[in-house]
Amino acid sequence: EPEVTQTPSHQVTQMGQEVILRCVPISNHLYFYWYRQILGQKVEFLVSFYNNEISEKSEIFDDQFSVERPDGSNFTLKIRSTKLEDSAMYFCASSERSSLLFNSPLHFGNGTRLTVT
Amino acid sequence: KQEVTQIPAALSVPEGENLVLNCSFTDSAIYNLQWFRQDPGKGLTSLLLIQSSQREQTSGRLNASLDKSSGRSTLYIAASQPGDSATYLCAVGSKINKFYFGSGTKLNVKP
Repeated sequence: EPEVTQTPSHQVTQMGQEVILRCVPISNHLYFYWYRQILGQKVEFLVSFYNNEISEKSEIFDDQFSVERPDGSNFTLKIRSTKLEDSAMYFCASSERSSLLFNSPLHFGNGTRLTVT
Repeated sequence: KQEVTQIPAALSVPEGENLVLNCSFTDSAIYNLQWFRQDPGKGLTSLLLIQSSQREQTSGRLNASLDKSSGRSTLYIAASQPGDSATYLCAVGSKINKFYFGSGTKLNVKP
């Protein structure tokens, strides 16, 4: 069964450094998402992306964050200057069509654990 | 803002028991609701998606129901097995391309 793949599985970085988290969504999917889960807290929405632009973003997704689909297969999340509170598990997800308008299920990757020291 | 609550937070049952996990949400204007399973150190696996116009959805030993007007969903697991041990998450789709998640129910099925 096709999967969403994320790399790396674990990233350690120092405060203030830039990190790029990478994702390869399922190949025929058109909608892409980033969610994160701080240890012991709920999974929370960051951003959704369709047709090469952001379709929805949360209040967490400030100017320090950006997303990009640099080619036909990768979807990346960049954090420009990491803070201690950015430490979390970051999940990439994709759906074939709009998950809400067309009831297309979300498919998640295994996540990247980001540790900011 | 949509708030999603899951009860209980943890549940331990003997193998073979039927069980019910609960999810409640504050805003009934939803598009759909999705149940996920999360294993330690892994991503989220989609179990069932219920559209807002549906009352229930079934997959194997799993049955999810939705009562939109009262803001509730339940996930029923029949004849539980040790392999069902995981955290179960409820996610409510109430804005375009955005899901709100509950804190999850951590299920332990004892052999």
